[in-house]
Amino acid sequence: EVQLLESGGGLVQPGGSLRLSCAASGFTFRNYAMTWVRQAPGKGLEWVSTMSISVDSTFYADSVKGRFTISRDNFRNTLYLQMDSLRAEDTAVYYCARDRVEFGGNSPQDYWGQGTLVTVSS
Amino acid sequence: EIVMTQSPATLSVSPGERATLSCRASQSVGTNLAWYQQKPGQAPRLLIYGASTRATGIPARFSGSGSGTEFTLTISSLQSEDCAVYYCQQHNNWPPVLNFGGGTKVEIK
Repeated sequence: EVQLLESGGGLVQPGGSLRLSCAASGFTFRNYAMTWVRQAPGKGLEWVSTMSISVDSTFYADSVKGRFTISRDNFRNTLYLQMDSLRAEDTAVYYCARDRVEFGGNSPQDYWGQGTLVTVSS
Repeated sequence: EIVMTQSPATLSVSPGERATLSCRASQSVGTNLAWYQQKPGQAPRLLIYGASTRATGIPARFSGSGSGTEFTLTISSLQSEDCAVYYCQQHNNWPPVLNFGGGTKVEIK
């Protein structure tokens, strides 16, 4: 059974940093691109970042480019999102999700974690 | 940037009736369009990919159609458990920018 479990969320002051983790199990993690999607309170879904199976292929939304860094550890089957220079508008539930196509390129996300809440406030 | 626009924002449908949701892309995305369902307090669930292919375990009452810039999600006979917000997402461009639409909330009339 595919499982994705996020952790690392919490309350952080504006300008601060936080690192989210997503522990994956039930599939061959290294064969799939992985994606972070966030959802501000009461709002819609916003794509944040995707990392392909190649560790040097990373993609970011303009809203987080230069502040967030996606990475993966294929030995620990874990996806990360390092978030720096956090702003109030980054407050959201952050979901980790698996891209549907094994060894694929751009594809939708077929498995999602339960999400972790990040609150940026003084 | 491709902008995804969903309509209506809210849709009220009687149980057993058909629900039709629309998604429009600001430029062609071919058939690289997915639909998700999200219930309160839950993560999104993939319903449809490739504009018209149901994901694993999705009931046959859900169907998708369209190509290019105009897409439709149809729920043929609305059940109470279908009350949720539905999002479309394009995954056409490279490098990937996986834009979502703003969502359509489906409620029971």
